[in-house]
Amino acid sequence: ETGVTQSPTHLIKTRGQQVTLRCSSQSGHNTVSWYQQALGQGPQFIFQYYREEENGRGNFPPRFSGLQFPNYSSELNVNALELDDSALYLCASSLDSGTGASYEQYFGPGTRLTVT
Amino acid sequence: EDKVVQSPLSLVVHEGDTVTLNCSYEVTNFRSLLWYKQEKKAPTFLFMLTSSGIEKKSGRLSSILDKKELFSILNITATQTGDSAIYLCAVEVVMETSGSRLTFGEGTQLTVNP
Repeated sequence: ETGVTQSPTHLIKTRGQQVTLRCSSQSGHNTVSWYQQALGQGPQFIFQYYREEENGRGNFPPRFSGLQFPNYSSELNVNALELDDSALYLCASSLDSGTGASYEQYFGPGTRLTVT
Repeated sequence: EDKVVQSPLSLVVHEGDTVTLNCSYEVTNFRSLLWYKQEKKAPTFLFMLTSSGIEKKSGRLSSILDKKELFSILNITATQTGDSAIYLCAVEVVMETSGSRLTFGEGTQLTVNP
């Protein structure tokens, strides 16, 4: 296990509703990235948070938003849910030292979101 | 647009066989290439490759990167039923913010039959 935790594990929502997913990063990690994994696909990058600021964003609309807290945990919020938002949402934590070196991203177990 | 392509998409073998999984990429601002194993939910980290031609090994798994030809392979020898999983290849790409993100391939579904 990686030490990255996510909650809840499963969630069922209705189209048009809003949802908040949570992620606790591995101890010592200062960066959290969120990914969406549709069935049968590889994960797609949503955005990244570094020291409480958004640090890059993928090709997702503004109704996908996030937060990072001083303890480096993070939230992903999705407004106006659509059927296509049904997916596994993964968060990954890593340590960015700001030197440009590569550090592995460690994934949490994910939240399975179903939109009906 | 950054692209990572894995092949084959699906593979069925018998225990004891050796398999080779392929990953090719076209990205701007390459930093590293990573392999993950995904059994149920969380992808678990296998290897990170940054330099060409240097093989990384962990037990029966090994991987190598060719930065000139833009591909990587993951080898699994003496496969076991516990190796059945989706194997994901991801390329770490540097963003304008200087942070980095992972661009994934579709994955290879490996099934090892007893």
